[in-house]
Amino acid sequence: SQTIHQWPATLVQPVGSPLSLECTVEGTSNPNLYWYRQAAGRGLQLLFYSVGIGQISSEVPQNLSASRPQDRQFILSSKKLLLSDSGFYLCAWSPRGGYGYTFGSGTRLTVV
Amino acid sequence: RKEVEQDPGPFNVPEGATVAFNCTYSNSASQSFFWYRQDCRKEPKLLMSVYSSGNEDGRFTAQLNRASQYISLLIRDSKLSDSATYLCVVDNYGQNFVFGPGTRLSVLP
Repeated sequence: SQTIHQWPATLVQPVGSPLSLECTVEGTSNPNLYWYRQAAGRGLQLLFYSVGIGQISSEVPQNLSASRPQDRQFILSSKKLLLSDSGFYLCAWSPRGGYGYTFGSGTRLTVV
Repeated sequence: RKEVEQDPGPFNVPEGATVAFNCTYSNSASQSFFWYRQDCRKEPKLLMSVYSSGNEDGRFTAQLNRASQYISLLIRDSKLSDSATYLCVVDNYGQNFVFGPGTRLSVLP
């Protein structure tokens, strides 16, 4: 069966520090991968999605970036965090040609 | 107009009540529709897909009206464990999915 792993679960980082969140999927090949952010009390905002290795589409211009170095690995990064980057970051996957998302358990990021 | 809009809520209902959530979407080309459930401080989880003919899963019934670009979710005989935020989800040209802002439900004893 397919599983998605996301870590860390909780992160407190100072303003201006770098960020790296990692997400991996097991039990499937060639998945579509997504990064979402949910600010406190708000809806889900799509940040990046990827349909293949090295293929990244950005939905919202900001100081975040994403990379997909391997088929089932998706990384969210920042060189310098802002206070406004605080939120709940969720990685998700969907099967190629199929539909429906499965989310990782999320990373709660607080920038202080 | 936002791509996916939902009842703002919150809905506070007693146990055993029937509650309905509404959702509208703007992209007439959308083909896939879902309801997700999100518990407090947790990731969203798929509740059910929404099919053109309408579909039912136990106490939950989903309806789709393509002409009106409208989706609904009906929960019968509400349980305390149904308390959560319900997210309407619509595909965006088949590439990714757009989530509505969610409607929060609190089922009261």
